[in-house]
Amino acid sequence: QKEVEQDPGPLSVPEGAIVSLNCTYSNSAFQYFMWYRQYSRKGPELLMYTYSSGNKEDGRFTAQVDKSSKYISLFIRDSQPSDSATYLCAMRLIQGAQKLVFGQGTRLTINP
Amino acid sequence: DAGITQSPRHKVTETGTPVTLRCHQTENHRYMYWYRQDPGHGLRLIHYSYGVKDTDKGEVSDGYSVSRSKTEDFLLTLESATSSQTSVYFCAISAQDEQFFGPGTRLTVL
Repeated sequence: QKEVEQDPGPLSVPEGAIVSLNCTYSNSAFQYFMWYRQYSRKGPELLMYTYSSGNKEDGRFTAQVDKSSKYISLFIRDSQPSDSATYLCAMRLIQGAQKLVFGQGTRLTINP
Repeated sequence: DAGITQSPRHKVTETGTPVTLRCHQTENHRYMYWYRQDPGHGLRLIHYSYGVKDTDKGEVSDGYSVSRSKTEDFLLTLESATSSQTSVYFCAISAQDEQFFGPGTRLTVL
């Protein structure tokens, strides 16, 4: 079983919809949680970064971490066609070399 | 893009040949990483470096070696390429608590 699980999709929604992307993980020692956005044939781009539990909001994006359930989410409000990309969750321990463990990525398409 | 470049950006090679990929950063970050990305696997860590001449293995290090003789350059070598090493390779650096990625190298081993 993978250390971080993410539904690979694909997920297709209409423009303006609220999108929910999720990851579960098995290592309770993870403390840093990230969401990356990756456009086709590009490198991953850091979208949101959260330390420990709680919520973080940045414009249309909200990241949630529930450490008791080992579950993280990314919500996209008022989704736009430009949000169409692959979204990757990643996480790491608090100590050490900051090595990231990634989910498989979810391919998202926003239809105009 | 955090000043990260990768070369080459695309490469096609044959099984059994050596291949070296280069990652270059302009901002003197201590930590550098090599990941590979394959369908169904997300990104997986191959090797990382925490300083000049200081490197360690990641999750999928078999068949790969690395070297870092200067802060700005981190090289990934496939000593004898195999078809299973066909992948997209990403270099990354850590800046404070965040990790930033280069544009990637698409490697095909025939």
